[in-house]
Amino acid sequence: DAGITQSPRYKITETGRQVTLMCHQTWSHSYMFWYRQDLGHGLRLIYYSAAADITDKGEVPDGYVVSRSKTENFPLTLESATRSQTSVYFCASRDPGQGYTEAFFGQGTRLTVV
Amino acid sequence: DAKTTQPPSMDCAEGRAANLPCNHSTISGNEYVYWYRQIHSQGPQYIIHGLKNNETNEMASLIITEDRKSSTLILPHATLRDTAVYYCIVRASNTGNQFYFGTGTSLTVIP
Repeated sequence: DAGITQSPRYKITETGRQVTLMCHQTWSHSYMFWYRQDLGHGLRLIYYSAAADITDKGEVPDGYVVSRSKTENFPLTLESATRSQTSVYFCASRDPGQGYTEAFFGQGTRLTVV
Repeated sequence: DAKTTQPPSMDCAEGRAANLPCNHSTISGNEYVYWYRQIHSQGPQYIIHGLKNNETNEMASLIITEDRKSSTLILPHATLRDTAVYYCIVRASNTGNQFYFGTGTSLTVIP
């Protein structure tokens, strides 16, 4: 199916564990993003990527690692999960195009760190 | 990116127009105004964007003041499915590709 998909949709992990959230898009969009959403903070940008092998930090990158070996995939890894990383995570992608093009978001991954 | 200010919440009667304001008094000449919305538990969805002129599409209208320091998103006939958080974002089209969302306006459409 065409679109952007995140997996898993729900995840419970223990403090200190490594966990990877997956994001896959079928449009070959150059740009991909990871956001986290917490009550009172809205959506905050964690990392973004302009193309394969090009990534950059957003507003709240600490504690997260990303990679982009293939255009269609943009995994987000929490190397040692903490309770403060309990959140809903959204992945997005967009095509650079000419001028503005809209960003498409996945359905989100709800992560709970216990 | 210019900072935006939106009311935290609003109500609107079903079938009436919903007018969602956004202040962006520090907007620069090359910065656009974008609107996204997020229905509960879903990813944000693009609505509309504009630079200077008013814009309309099948979802909404965007009215930008002449001095561009504020704008209003108008949902002409609000339905219960329009209940969502609405985000106003201001940025230049050439400033990289990240979008910074604020906390938005939570719109509740009342039957």
